[in-house]
Amino acid sequence: DQQVKQNSPSLSVQEGRISILNCDYTNSMFDYFLWYKKYPAEGPTFLISISSIKDKNEDGRFTVFLNKSAKHLSLHIVPSQPGDSAVYFCAASAGSSNTGKLIFGQGTTLQVKP
Amino acid sequence: GAGVSQSPRYKVTKRGQDVALRCDPISGHVSLYWYRQALGQGPEFLTYFNYEAQQDKSGLPNDRFSAERPEGSISTLTIQRTEQRDSAMYRCASSLAQYQGAGNEQFFGPGTRLTVL
Repeated sequence: DQQVKQNSPSLSVQEGRISILNCDYTNSMFDYFLWYKKYPAEGPTFLISISSIKDKNEDGRFTVFLNKSAKHLSLHIVPSQPGDSAVYFCAASAGSSNTGKLIFGQGTTLQVKP
Repeated sequence: GAGVSQSPRYKVTKRGQDVALRCDPISGHVSLYWYRQALGQGPEFLTYFNYEAQQDKSGLPNDRFSAERPEGSISTLTIQRTEQRDSAMYRCASSLAQYQGAGNEQFFGPGTRLTVL
């Protein structure tokens, strides 16, 4: 069973516009969520995170929104830049269970066109 | 180098052979994680360590897979009697501590691409 789902395999946006990447989860025990970005031939790199006690976290051009009732989170990138083109993974953990285990979604490939 | 390193980067082996994959975490990082990533999928948790203690091995697919971190630093993931279905990218990550929270994110290595013929 896929506990973390990214239903859009790919997304294409124009430079300067907003990119919105979506993620859904099923496990109500998840209380910490992260977004990772991955370039080809590299490992995933941490981008931004959010605790379940918040509904929004912002870091420069990147904002993550969490809707606990819908078990849904999204990553907004504004404005999008060509260098943002990468695979984005959503991940979740049940931090209160004192485990470091992360559960990842399948990833969404973002292409930002100049 | 300050990042997580893994070796070898690529490993091709024949079915039935044993393989050992190495992970060198960021210096000082207490927690070390192993993941497996199939093409077009996200990383899938295998096991993790705090210092030398293996805390969770619930993701290891079967008893052909084992991992160790004897001195609390470098870790080795061993796959015995490899099968074609074991072919995947194997990723290692490390973090300062075990808890999930701001400032304690997992840093990933470049991975080892394993191909079993």
